[in-house]
Amino acid sequence: TQLLEQSPQFLSIQEGENLTVYCNSSSVFSSLQWYRQEPGEGPVLLVTVVTGGEVKKLKRLTFQFGDARKDSSLHITAAQPGDTGLYLCAGVGSNYKLTFGKGTLLTVNP
Amino acid sequence: NAGVTQTPKFQVLKTGQSMTLQCAQDMNHEYMSWYRQDPGMGLRLIHYSVGAGITDQGEVPNGYNVSRSTTEDFPLRLLSAAPSQTSVYFCASSYRVTTGNGYTFGSGTRLTVV
Repeated sequence: TQLLEQSPQFLSIQEGENLTVYCNSSSVFSSLQWYRQEPGEGPVLLVTVVTGGEVKKLKRLTFQFGDARKDSSLHITAAQPGDTGLYLCAGVGSNYKLTFGKGTLLTVNP
Repeated sequence: NAGVTQTPKFQVLKTGQSMTLQCAQDMNHEYMSWYRQDPGMGLRLIHYSVGAGITDQGEVPNGYNVSRSTTEDFPLRLLSAAPSQTSVYFCASSYRVTTGNGYTFGSGTRLTVV
């Protein structure tokens, strides 16, 4: 079983601060995806990273895939209350199954 | 609207009852999956399908059955409900995971077994 460890599990910050969420594994994934989930809803895809070392930017969000394709990070610059939610990383592994980390619950206080 | 539709949104079952959670997508996606989400456990894969007529087990398949007779539908059957199956269930679909496409999730079914 391929496992993904996310850290931190909880994060509470003030509006305007920067933050980084980490997603680590001992396994290699063919690609890694980041989702955001709001209460009562299903996860919504933010980005997919495929190539080792790849960096993708989505407005104030920066996603990086590790060179060895075992880890990833999500950095948010100048967080806003609208960024509040559960951030999930997910790796595509054997048989194309998607394995999720347990998530980082982010709260951005005004 | 295009997307993944799950029904019902809420359900209460008595222990031992059976039921089917419905999932339909209108995006002609090949891949469909069922996950359950529990506090502190994250999303865990129950069953998945890579195309019509093809299904396989995920991480936590016991107590659940699936079938995929059409591309659009992927129902999840609870054979004999147990309190341990109290959870939020999500259905998801993807065009092709191999090309790095992400999954589209439904809004979930919140199931309580008493």
